[in-house]
Amino acid sequence: AQKVTQAQTEISVVEKEDVTLDCVYETRDTTYYLFWYKQPPSGELVFLIRRNSFDEQNEISGRYSWNFQKSTSSFNFTITASQVVDSAVYFCALSDLYSGAGSYQLTFGKGTKLSVIP
Amino acid sequence: DAMVIQNPRYQVTQFGKPVTLSCSQTLNHNVMYWYQQKSSQAPKLLFHYYDKDFNNEADTPDNFQSRRPNTSFCFLDIRSPGLGDAAMYLCATSRVATGGRNEQYFGPGTRLTVT
Repeated sequence: AQKVTQAQTEISVVEKEDVTLDCVYETRDTTYYLFWYKQPPSGELVFLIRRNSFDEQNEISGRYSWNFQKSTSSFNFTITASQVVDSAVYFCALSDLYSGAGSYQLTFGKGTKLSVIP
Repeated sequence: DAMVIQNPRYQVTQFGKPVTLSCSQTLNHNVMYWYQQKSSQAPKLLFHYYDKDFNNEADTPDNFQSRRPNTSFCFLDIRSPGLGDAAMYLCATSRVATGGRNEQYFGPGTRLTVT
Protein backbone atom coordinates (compact mmCIF):
# COMPACT_ATOMS: atom_id res chain seq x y z
CA ALA A 1 0.00 0.00 0.00
CA GLN A 2 1.12 3.50 -0.72
CA LYS A 3 1.46 6.18 1.86
CA VAL A 4 2.66 9.77 1.92
CA THR A 5 3.53 11.42 5.22
CA GLN A 6 3.86 15.13 5.72
CA ALA A 7 4.69 15.33 9.38
CA GLN A 8 4.54 19.12 9.56
CA THR A 9 0.92 20.19 9.85
CA GLU A 10 1.60 23.92 10.06
CA ILE A 11 4.71 26.05 9.72
CA SER A 12 5.10 29.77 10.26
CA VAL A 13 8.10 31.71 9.07
CA VAL A 14 8.99 35.35 8.80
CA GLU A 15 9.33 36.74 5.31
CA LYS A 16 12.74 36.15 3.70
CA GLU A 17 13.44 33.10 5.82
CA ASP A 18 14.12 29.78 4.14
CA VAL A 19 11.73 26.95 4.88
CA THR A 20 11.78 23.22 4.12
CA LEU A 21 8.64 21.12 3.84
CA ASP A 22 9.17 17.45 4.50
CA CYS A 23 7.66 14.55 2.60
CA VAL A 24 8.25 10.86 3.26
CA TYR A 25 6.63 8.18 1.13
CA GLU A 26 6.10 4.45 1.10
CA THR A 27 5.60 2.28 -1.95
CA ARG A 28 6.46 -1.22 -3.04
CA ASP A 29 6.70 -0.21 -6.68
CA THR A 30 10.11 0.34 -8.21
CA THR A 31 8.73 2.85 -10.69
CA TYR A 32 6.73 5.72 -9.32
CA TYR A 33 6.30 9.46 -9.55
CA LEU A 34 6.31 12.11 -6.89
CA PHE A 35 4.59 15.47 -7.07
CA TRP A 36 4.24 18.68 -5.14
CA TYR A 37 1.12 20.81 -5.36
CA LYS A 38 0.40 24.22 -3.90
CA GLN A 39 -3.09 25.15 -2.72
CA PRO A 40 -3.45 28.87 -2.01
CA PRO A 41 -6.47 30.21 -0.10
CA SER A 42 -8.37 30.48 -3.39
CA GLY A 43 -8.57 26.68 -3.41
CA GLU A 44 -7.04 25.67 -6.72
CA LEU A 45 -4.34 23.01 -6.57
CA VAL A 46 -1.36 24.22 -8.57
CA PHE A 47 1.09 21.69 -9.96
CA LEU A 48 4.69 22.52 -8.98
CA ILE A 49 6.89 19.58 -9.87
CA ARG A 50 6.97 15.94 -10.93
CA ARG A 51 9.90 13.63 -10.24
CA ASN A 52 10.27 10.01 -11.31
CA SER A 53 11.85 7.33 -9.19
CA PHE A 54 14.85 6.91 -11.48
CA ASP A 55 15.92 10.52 -11.39
CA GLU A 56 17.47 11.52 -8.11
CA GLN A 57 18.82 14.81 -9.34
CA ASN A 58 17.81 17.72 -7.25
CA GLU A 59 15.93 20.45 -9.00
CA ILE A 60 15.88 24.18 -8.59
CA SER A 61 13.30 26.53 -10.02
CA GLY A 62 13.78 30.10 -8.92
CA ARG A 63 13.29 30.19 -5.16
CA TYR A 64 12.02 26.61 -5.10
CA SER A 65 14.19 23.54 -4.81
CA TRP A 66 13.48 19.88 -4.31
CA ASN A 67 15.63 17.21 -2.72
CA PHE A 68 14.78 13.63 -3.67
CA GLN A 69 16.53 10.93 -1.68
CA LYS A 70 15.50 7.43 -2.54
CA SER A 71 17.58 5.95 0.28
CA THR A 72 15.40 7.68 2.85
CA SER A 73 12.20 7.73 0.74
CA SER A 74 12.01 11.47 1.04
CA PHE A 75 11.12 14.26 -1.36
CA ASN A 76 11.58 17.52 0.49
CA PHE A 77 10.71 20.97 -0.79
CA THR A 78 12.62 24.11 0.13
CA ILE A 79 11.52 27.68 -0.44
CA THR A 80 14.36 30.17 -0.26
CA ALA A 81 13.73 33.75 0.84
CA SER A 82 10.06 33.11 1.49
CA GLN A 83 7.44 35.65 0.51
CA VAL A 84 3.92 36.32 1.73
CA VAL A 85 2.58 34.97 -1.57
CA ASP A 86 4.06 31.59 -0.66
CA SER A 87 1.46 31.23 2.07
CA ALA A 88 -0.57 28.19 1.12
CA VAL A 89 -1.11 24.53 1.86
CA TYR A 90 1.45 22.35 0.14
CA PHE A 91 0.67 18.75 -0.75
CA CYS A 92 3.13 16.03 -1.60
CA ALA A 93 1.70 13.19 -3.70
CA LEU A 94 2.75 9.81 -5.06
CA SER A 95 1.63 7.99 -8.19
CA ASP A 96 2.33 4.36 -9.00
CA LEU A 97 2.27 2.32 -12.19
CA TYR A 98 -0.73 1.96 -14.40
CA SER A 99 -3.61 0.87 -12.23
CA GLY A 100 -6.20 0.29 -14.88
CA ALA A 101 -8.29 2.35 -17.27
CA GLY A 102 -5.40 4.62 -18.21
CA SER A 103 -5.34 6.74 -15.12
CA TYR A 104 -3.06 6.97 -12.18
CA GLN A 105 -4.19 7.59 -8.69
CA LEU A 106 -2.49 10.23 -6.69
CA THR A 107 -1.91 9.37 -3.07
CA PHE A 108 -1.77 12.69 -1.24
CA GLY A 109 -0.15 13.55 2.03
CA LYS A 110 -2.25 15.49 4.50
CA GLY A 111 -0.60 18.75 3.52
CA THR A 112 1.51 21.34 5.28
CA LYS A 113 0.05 24.77 5.86
CA LEU A 114 2.74 27.40 5.39
CA SER A 115 2.20 30.89 6.74
CA VAL A 116 4.71 33.55 5.78
CA ILE A 117 4.50 36.52 8.08
CA PRO A 118 5.48 39.94 6.73
CA ASP B 1 -6.07 30.97 -20.46
CA ALA B 2 -8.22 28.95 -18.09
CA MET B 3 -7.57 25.26 -18.64
CA VAL B 4 -9.86 23.55 -16.14
CA ILE B 5 -13.00 25.50 -15.38
CA GLN B 6 -15.49 24.74 -12.66
CA ASN B 7 -18.91 26.25 -12.27
CA PRO B 8 -20.21 27.53 -10.05
CA ARG B 9 -17.40 28.46 -7.66
CA TYR B 10 -19.82 28.49 -4.75
CA GLN B 11 -23.00 26.45 -4.52
CA VAL B 12 -25.56 26.39 -1.77
CA THR B 13 -28.14 23.63 -1.73
CA GLN B 14 -30.71 22.36 0.68
CA PHE B 15 -30.53 19.07 2.50
CA GLY B 16 -31.80 16.39 0.14
CA LYS B 17 -32.09 18.65 -2.91
CA PRO B 18 -30.19 17.31 -5.93
CA VAL B 19 -27.30 19.41 -7.11
CA THR B 20 -25.00 19.28 -10.14
CA LEU B 21 -21.49 20.64 -10.36
CA SER B 22 -19.82 21.14 -13.70
CA CYS B 23 -16.29 20.98 -15.00
CA SER B 24 -14.90 21.76 -18.43
CA GLN B 25 -11.41 21.60 -19.84
CA THR B 26 -9.59 23.07 -22.80
CA LEU B 27 -6.61 20.71 -22.55
CA ASN B 28 -8.17 17.85 -24.51
CA HIS B 29 -7.04 15.43 -21.82
CA ASN B 30 -8.32 11.87 -21.81
CA VAL B 31 -8.86 11.58 -18.10
CA MET B 32 -11.08 13.64 -15.85
CA TYR B 33 -11.29 13.25 -12.09
CA TRP B 34 -13.57 14.39 -9.30
CA TYR B 35 -12.20 14.88 -5.81
CA GLN B 36 -13.87 15.80 -2.56
CA GLN B 37 -11.84 17.88 -0.14
CA LYS B 38 -13.05 18.63 3.34
CA SER B 39 -11.57 21.30 5.54
CA SER B 40 -7.91 20.72 6.44
CA GLN B 41 -7.84 17.39 4.65
CA ALA B 42 -6.22 16.05 1.52
CA PRO B 43 -8.34 15.67 -1.61
CA LYS B 44 -10.15 12.35 -1.79
CA LEU B 45 -10.75 10.78 -5.18
CA LEU B 46 -14.40 10.01 -5.86
CA PHE B 47 -14.19 8.69 -9.43
CA HIS B 48 -12.60 9.30 -12.78
CA TYR B 49 -13.32 8.94 -16.47
CA TYR B 50 -10.82 7.61 -18.94
CA ASP B 51 -12.48 8.79 -22.12
CA LYS B 52 -15.96 7.35 -21.68
CA ASP B 53 -14.99 4.64 -19.24
CA PHE B 54 -16.21 5.42 -15.76
CA ASN B 55 -14.21 4.26 -12.74
CA ASN B 56 -15.72 4.54 -9.32
CA GLU B 57 -13.69 4.39 -6.14
CA ALA B 58 -14.81 1.57 -3.88
CA ASP B 59 -15.74 3.85 -1.00
CA THR B 60 -17.57 6.52 -2.99
CA PRO B 61 -21.18 6.69 -1.77
CA ASP B 62 -23.94 5.83 -4.23
CA ASN B 63 -25.26 9.32 -3.65
CA PHE B 64 -22.52 10.59 -5.94
CA GLN B 65 -22.82 10.10 -9.69
CA SER B 66 -20.98 11.47 -12.67
CA ARG B 67 -21.56 12.08 -16.36
CA ARG B 68 -19.13 12.85 -19.14
CA PRO B 69 -21.08 13.72 -22.30
CA ASN B 70 -17.96 14.61 -24.28
CA THR B 71 -14.20 15.07 -23.88
CA SER B 72 -14.51 18.60 -22.59
CA PHE B 73 -17.21 18.32 -19.98
CA CYS B 74 -17.76 16.32 -16.84
CA PHE B 75 -20.52 16.64 -14.25
CA LEU B 76 -20.82 15.62 -10.64
CA ASP B 77 -24.36 14.88 -9.48
CA ILE B 78 -25.19 14.60 -5.81
CA ARG B 79 -28.61 13.03 -5.66
CA SER B 80 -29.53 13.77 -2.06
CA PRO B 81 -26.95 15.97 -0.39
CA GLY B 82 -26.45 15.54 3.32
CA LEU B 83 -24.77 17.90 5.72
CA GLY B 84 -21.68 15.71 5.54
CA ASP B 85 -21.34 16.38 1.83
CA ALA B 86 -20.46 20.01 2.40
CA ALA B 87 -16.95 20.30 1.00
CA MET B 88 -14.80 21.65 -1.78
CA TYR B 89 -15.19 19.61 -4.97
CA LEU B 90 -12.19 19.62 -7.25
CA CYS B 91 -12.11 18.59 -10.86
CA ALA B 92 -8.81 17.55 -12.43
CA THR B 93 -7.60 16.33 -15.80
CA SER B 94 -4.59 14.46 -17.06
CA ARG B 95 -3.18 13.21 -20.32
CA VAL B 96 -2.72 9.47 -20.52
CA ALA B 97 0.92 8.51 -20.25
CA THR B 98 2.71 5.36 -19.25
CA GLY B 99 4.16 4.76 -15.85
CA GLY B 100 2.20 7.30 -13.86
CA ARG B 101 4.11 10.36 -14.94
CA ASN B 102 1.06 12.32 -15.99
CA GLU B 103 0.49 15.17 -13.62
CA GLN B 104 -3.05 16.23 -12.92
CA TYR B 105 -4.25 19.76 -13.56
CA PHE B 106 -6.89 21.02 -11.19
CA GLY B 107 -9.70 23.47 -11.52
CA PRO B 108 -10.40 26.15 -8.92
CA GLY B 109 -13.00 24.01 -7.18
CA THR B 110 -16.64 24.42 -6.23
CA ARG B 111 -17.34 24.99 -2.57
CA LEU B 112 -20.62 23.29 -1.70
CA THR B 113 -22.67 24.35 1.30
CA VAL B 114 -25.61 22.23 2.43
CA THR B 115 -28.24 23.95 4.55
